[in-house]
Amino acid sequence: GENVEQHPSTLSVQEGDSAVIKCTYSDSASNYFPWYKQELGKGPQLIIDIRSNVGEKKDQRIAVTLNKTAKHFSLHITETQPEDSAVYFCAAREGTYKYIFGTGTRLKVLA
Amino acid sequence: GAVVSQHPSRVICKSGTSVKIECRSLDFQATTMFWYRQFPKQSLMLMATSNEGSKATYEQGVEKDKFLINHASLTLSTLTVTSAHPEDSSFYICSASREGGGEKLFFGSGTQLSVL
Repeated sequence: GENVEQHPSTLSVQEGDSAVIKCTYSDSASNYFPWYKQELGKGPQLIIDIRSNVGEKKDQRIAVTLNKTAKHFSLHITETQPEDSAVYFCAAREGTYKYIFGTGTRLKVLA
Repeated sequence: GAVVSQHPSRVICKSGTSVKIECRSLDFQATTMFWYRQFPKQSLMLMATSNEGSKATYEQGVEKDKFLINHASLTLSTLTVTSAHPEDSSFYICSASREGGGEKLFFGSGTQLSVL
């Protein structure tokens, strides 16, 4: 089955700098890769996603890139703000409904 | 947008009692709902997949008699933790995807269960 690895586990950046979180997956059949932001005590919130037929997608300060050959995808946050501080999870969809999540990255944006 | 409502947000119960958690899709019909468990500072662990009108599919190692799932309508799924024990204390989160496909998965706000 699918296996998703996520790095780094923690990341601290200065406000205004960029943050990059990377994930790798094992199943070449996976075709959908969402990213979630989870704040303390809350459920994950979908922030951006990408399908396997697209190499890059951008939404304001957030972008996701996908390298199908290498089986890795990355989340890029530019001009980070303190409110970006949270735990970020990547995921890969296995089959029709099953989502495999990465282990999470705790992002801290320092003011 | 797609809103998934989960209640209660926090529950404290005595050991041996049962607790029911509700998950509702407010503005869309959800053919499939999922229940996750999350330990502190860890990732989401899929417990079961719930399809409307049929029995839930449980992941390996998850006791179906312990965690009863009912998906009675296209907008409501419930998780009942039966005879709860302290080791069942955890953060439980539901999620749903739209009827008719649609790959986006939307999460509820989670329920923090504390069993004394």
